[in-house]
Amino acid sequence: GENVEQHPSTLSVQEGDSAVIKCTYSDSASNYFPWYKQELGKRPQLIIDIRSNVGEKKDQRIAVTLNKTAKHFSLHITETQPEDSAVYFCAATPWNSGNTPLVFGKGTRLSVIA
Amino acid sequence: ETGVTQSPTHLIKTRGQQVTLRCSSQSGHNTVSWYQQALGQGPQFIFQYYREEENGRGNFPPRFSGLQFPNYSSELNVNALELDDSALYLCASSSGTGMYNEQFFGPGTRLTVL
Repeated sequence: GENVEQHPSTLSVQEGDSAVIKCTYSDSASNYFPWYKQELGKRPQLIIDIRSNVGEKKDQRIAVTLNKTAKHFSLHITETQPEDSAVYFCAATPWNSGNTPLVFGKGTRLSVIA
Repeated sequence: ETGVTQSPTHLIKTRGQQVTLRCSSQSGHNTVSWYQQALGQGPQFIFQYYREEENGRGNFPPRFSGLQFPNYSSELNVNALELDDSALYLCASSSGTGMYNEQFFGPGTRLTVL
């Protein structure tokens, strides 16, 4: 089955700097890659996703890149703000008739220092 | 607000007991997936229900069982509770149509097994 590795496990950046979180996956059939943000004691919230037919997607300060050949995808946050502090999870899922479970990485705890 | 709700919020049980957790899916969604999130880890897939039928199962023993009702709400039952079952249990709903599934998470049920 699918296996997702996520690095780093913790990341501290100064406010205004950029943050990059990287994930690798094992199943070449995976074609949907969402990123979730989970604040302390709250539910995971989808912040951006990318599908296998594109290499990059951007939404304001957040961007995600996908390299299907190398089986890795990354989350880029620019101009970080203290409210970006949270745990971020990447996930991957192989296509299976439209309903497949997400396989998550172990998470990255991002701390933005004001 | 995603519209996915879960009950109860918190639960304390002792080893050997049984527990039932509940999830109401977002309006228009017919698929519910359950995940277990241990402290400091990413969510792990337990199973998924699509139109009242189990539609995939992760690496969890049979004492984890579920149910989906005609209104697409769902229950997760865990028998013979063990200490390692202590975790945040998340349900996520999706529309069950199309090639990709965007999953929306509920707030979770925090289960503590003593």
